[in-house]
Amino acid sequence: GEDVEQSLFLSVREGDSSVINCTYTDSSSTYLYWYKQEPGAGLQLLTYIFSNMDMKQDQRLTVLLNKKDKHLSLRIADTQTGDSAIYFCAESIGTGGYQKVTFGIGTKLQVIP
Amino acid sequence: NAGVTQTPKFRVLKTGQSMTLLCAQDMNHEYMYWYRQDPGMGLRLIHYSVGEGTTAKGEVPDGYNVSRLKKQNFLLGLESAAPSQTSVYFCASSYSRGIVQPQHFGDGTRLSIL
Repeated sequence: GEDVEQSLFLSVREGDSSVINCTYTDSSSTYLYWYKQEPGAGLQLLTYIFSNMDMKQDQRLTVLLNKKDKHLSLRIADTQTGDSAIYFCAESIGTGGYQKVTFGIGTKLQVIP
Repeated sequence: NAGVTQTPKFRVLKTGQSMTLLCAQDMNHEYMYWYRQDPGMGLRLIHYSVGEGTTAKGEVPDGYNVSRLKKQNFLLGLESAAPSQTSVYFCASSYSRGIVQPQHFGDGTRLSIL
């Protein structure tokens, strides 16, 4: 079955880089997503990567995918206090039509000023 | 620029009461979803819908019912609320066509059952 695992907590100093890690079990994953949840709000899509890609960069965000190890990471460069939030990794299975999405439990990022 | 709107935002119920949570999206999305979020458990899918008039069970459907009478609305009902249903409920929607179909989320409904 599908399972997505993340560490629960990460603390970094403002200006440093943050790396949030995720592992998944289903090798047939199509897309892998990173969502951000701020207090009292819903999940906001940050970025995604197709399963045949190794890396994707979007401004301060870098996503690395190691398909062999089923490991996904999100690197946030120059972390700011506004980046403090819970970050969810998610995988989807299927192309077109309905995609089953499995979410991790979320990693709480604390940015220390 | 509403996106996905959930009402109400907060609610306190007594055990055995019933209520309906409303989700509305203005993006013409075919797919809609209801999740619950509990500490240490992430998001779990309750029910989903792939189009108007159709619904399907997710991972944790027991104790809930849903309806999708209009494409833009997806209702989640609790017929007889139980304390175990205390949670934060999120609605989401997505396109059915196109390769990438990320889900767009509402801000959640915080529900407490006493």
